Amino acid sequence: LAKTTQPISMDSYEGQEVNITCSHNNIATNDYITWYQQFPSQGPRFIIQGYKTKVTNEVASLFIPADRKSSTLSLPRVSLSDTAVYYCLVGEGPGTLTGGGNKLTFGTGTQLKVEL
Amino acid sequence: DTAVSQTPKYLVTQMGNDKSIKCEQNLGHDTMYWYKQDSKKFLKIMFSYNNKELIINETVPNRFSPKSPDKAHLNLHINSLELGDSAVYFCASSPRGRYEQYFGPGTRLTVT
Repeated sequence: LAKTTQPISMDSYEGQEVNITCSHNNIATNDYITWYQQFPSQGPRFIIQGYKTKVTNEVASLFIPADRKSSTLSLPRVSLSDTAVYYCLVGEGPGTLTGGGNKLTFGTGTQLKVEL
Repeated sequence: DTAVSQTPKYLVTQMGNDKSIKCEQNLGHDTMYWYKQDSKKFLKIMFSYNNKELIINETVPNRFSPKSPDKAHLNLHINSLELGDSAVYFCASSPRGRYEQYFGPGTRLTVT
């Protein structure tokens, strides 16, 4: 079971870049890393997913070192609306879900607060 | 159009009762999940179904049982409710060959 660890909270200001790191020391070979954003009273929303190196989409970048024991979600130029809880999820990747296989493990979540 | 919907949004009931939470997705996804989020915001997977077959079953009490009448629905039945079952329950789905999950709005269950 790939246990994950994240900082409990982070503070930032509008326009800054925010980097949130997730530790997953016992990540398995088949595991992918996925990040979600959650606003109060809503379900988590997919942000980005990766297996190794770097992945970038229109809202974020995901950096994964060669040993894959950690990952960093990078949010460029945050705004007030980015204030939310960010979760790191480690588990089996696409097409590999099997009975009794790796369990999907969410991190404890990082509360990001963005101020003016 | 709501992609993943859950009913009811709020559920207040007494200990010992049996209740169900319904989930429907109109995304054509193959896999559906149930998660429990407790008061400390920990998000834990309970079940998942892939093409109507249970493929992940976390160590949850057998009072909880998922039922999938078809690929678009995954309902959660809870028997003999306990105080500790109070939480927000989220349904989610993911498409075949992809891992990103789409979550419903959640059902806040309060057991008194």
